[in-house]
Amino acid sequence: KQEVTQIPAALSVPEGENLVLNCSFTDSAIYNLQWFRQDPGKGLTSLLLIQSSQREQTSGRLNASLDKSSGRSTLYIAASQPGDSATYLCAIGWDDKIIFGKGTRLHILP
Amino acid sequence: DAGVIQSPRHEVTEMGQEVTLRCKPISGHDYLFWYRQTMMRGLELLIYFNNNVPIDDSGMPEDRFSAKMPNASFSTLKIQPSEPRDSAVYFCATSGDEQETQYFGPGTRLLVL
Repeated sequence: KQEVTQIPAALSVPEGENLVLNCSFTDSAIYNLQWFRQDPGKGLTSLLLIQSSQREQTSGRLNASLDKSSGRSTLYIAASQPGDSATYLCAIGWDDKIIFGKGTRLHILP
Repeated sequence: DAGVIQSPRHEVTEMGQEVTLRCKPISGHDYLFWYRQTMMRGLELLIYFNNNVPIDDSGMPEDRFSAKMPNASFSTLKIQPSEPRDSAVYFCATSGDEQETQYFGPGTRLLVL
């Protein structure tokens, strides 16, 4: 059985700070991991996709890492901005399924 | 490209009524996914198609739920009869490959009274 956990459930940080969001999974036999952003009332936007053979992916101020052996992924956001406020979800591809965490609600304080 | 298109954006119906949600995928994407999002359970995969063929429907909660993809440019998710516990946001997503980035539609917010 696979479980995906995101901690913390909510996070508030002052603008300009660097921050890390965490995602953990219980079965390391995943074939990819994806980070999404969800704005209120809108669909999910894919941020980064890491294949099982990769250790990290970068896009702009975002960096996602993957450590399969420890069942962890982190999403690093540099120099946070108020526009980064959203819910961030991680999702894993596993056993022909896609399993999501419940997300971290991020609030960047101006 | 207009992205993934879902309709309606909002649906309010009474218990027992039939509900049909629609999705138009991004042109050329061979994979189409239906998700349901609730506060309690987060985002769950209901079913996905490859080249219009259902591949995995193990996430479909009950026989009241059915999904079809009659052609490469259209899919429906139907709930008959609907129940209050079906209230959720339903997302459609598509990708060019099962293991590639998925692109999500804006979702349909369903409220069953």
